[in-house]
Amino acid sequence: EIVLTQSPGTLSLSPGERATLSCRASQNVDTTYLAWYQQKPGQAPRLLIFGVSSRATGIPDRFSGSGSGTDFTLTISRLEPEDFAVYYCQHYSRSSYSFGQGTKLEIK
Amino acid sequence: EEQLVESGGGLVQPGGSQRLSCAASGFTFSTYWMSWVRQAPGKGLEWVANIKEDGSESYCVESVRGRFTISRDNAQNSLFLQMNSLTAEDTAVYYCARGGRLGSFDSWGQGTQVTVSS
Repeated sequence: EIVLTQSPGTLSLSPGERATLSCRASQNVDTTYLAWYQQKPGQAPRLLIFGVSSRATGIPDRFSGSGSGTDFTLTISRLEPEDFAVYYCQHYSRSSYSFGQGTKLEIK
Repeated sequence: EEQLVESGGGLVQPGGSQRLSCAASGFTFSTYWMSWVRQAPGKGLEWVANIKEDGSESYCVESVRGRFTISRDNAQNSLFLQMNSLTAEDTAVYYCARGGRLGSFDSWGQGTQVTVSS
């Protein structure tokens, strides 16, 4: 089973700043199947990125994904007030899915 | 626009059963893998189970194997999760999610709360 570890647990930044969120896999993964989600309080998750770096429909280009092997990154180039939320990475392998524990992005 | 609406949650006693439903609309339901994903209070996301487009294959996480059964009715555009032998550890919001490209979940319902307590 692949375990995804996200860091930091909480990231405190101001609007306009750049956010870098990390997701590390316990073993090399097929990078084709790495996704990122945003979740706001009381809401369902929303798909941001699939296939490591492809933006989902309607996702602004300030969101970007990168990485390979065991290390993956979600970058938000310039934070907007609506970007403060919890972010999860997720991987699919052999008919099973795993999520990271999440990174909370909060306003500084 | 695609929409997923869960129902069937509620308060259930330990050892009891519950059946969740998810009504899909706005897309061709029968052409998508579908999943259930849950989120315990204050915790992260956990994939529970998924089912192939035609219902011929399904998979689930080890912790629910033998207790939970996922099924679908393509004629009714509906997804189901039959949950038996429930424990407090099954308390969570249960989301219905559509299988997207490259192993992602590209559409989610609003979730239904299941609370297992005496």
